[in-house]
Amino acid sequence: EVQLVESGGGLVQPGGSLRLSCAASGFTFSSYWMHWVRQAPGKGLVWVSHIKGDGSRTNYADSVKGRFTISRDNAKNTLYLQMNSLRAEDMAVYYCARAEVAGGFDYWGQGSLVTVSS
Amino acid sequence: QSALTQPPSASGSPGQSVTISCTGTSSDVGGYNYVSWYQQHPGKAPKLMIYEVTKRPSGVPDRFSGSKSGNTASLTVSGLQAEDEADYYCSSYAGGTNVFGTGTKVTVL
Repeated sequence: EVQLVESGGGLVQPGGSLRLSCAASGFTFSSYWMHWVRQAPGKGLVWVSHIKGDGSRTNYADSVKGRFTISRDNAKNTLYLQMNSLRAEDMAVYYCARAEVAGGFDYWGQGSLVTVSS
Repeated sequence: QSALTQPPSASGSPGQSVTISCTGTSSDVGGYNYVSWYQQHPGKAPKLMIYEVTKRPSGVPDRFSGSKSGNTASLTVSGLQAEDEADYYCSSYAGGTNVFGTGTKVTVL
């Protein structure tokens, strides 16, 4: 059974940093692109970033480029999102999701809430 | 990276059909056959309903169907059931990135 479990969310002050993790199981992690998608309270889904299975390619939404870094450890079957210079508008539930580069997100984690507030 | 445009709401009675549109540009919806649709119930993670415009994952009822014409994709839910009441989002590949739609709340009357 495919499982994605996020962790690392919490309360952080504006300008602060946080690292999210997504532990994957039930599939060959290194064979899949992985994505982060976020959803602000009461708002819609927004794609944040993706990374190729071997970690060689990454891309970001313009709103997080230069502040967020996606990475993965295939030995640990874990996806990461390092978030720096956090802003109020980054406050959201962050989901990790499995998909090919072109989308079709077939498995999602339960989400991890990031709250940015002083 | 502008969000794809969806109507805020749609509704239908049980047994009826409802169609949701998703309008983008030639750089996303119109440029690739990589449109997908997601159903999200309150407090839950999204669920993939349609991928690559028309394909249904295993376990998704055939009441759900997708199509595309030019820069607009559509999701049709036939034979509406109470459990279909949810938010629906489209998504498209956009040449190196992905973009989601603004979301549509479907109400079963």
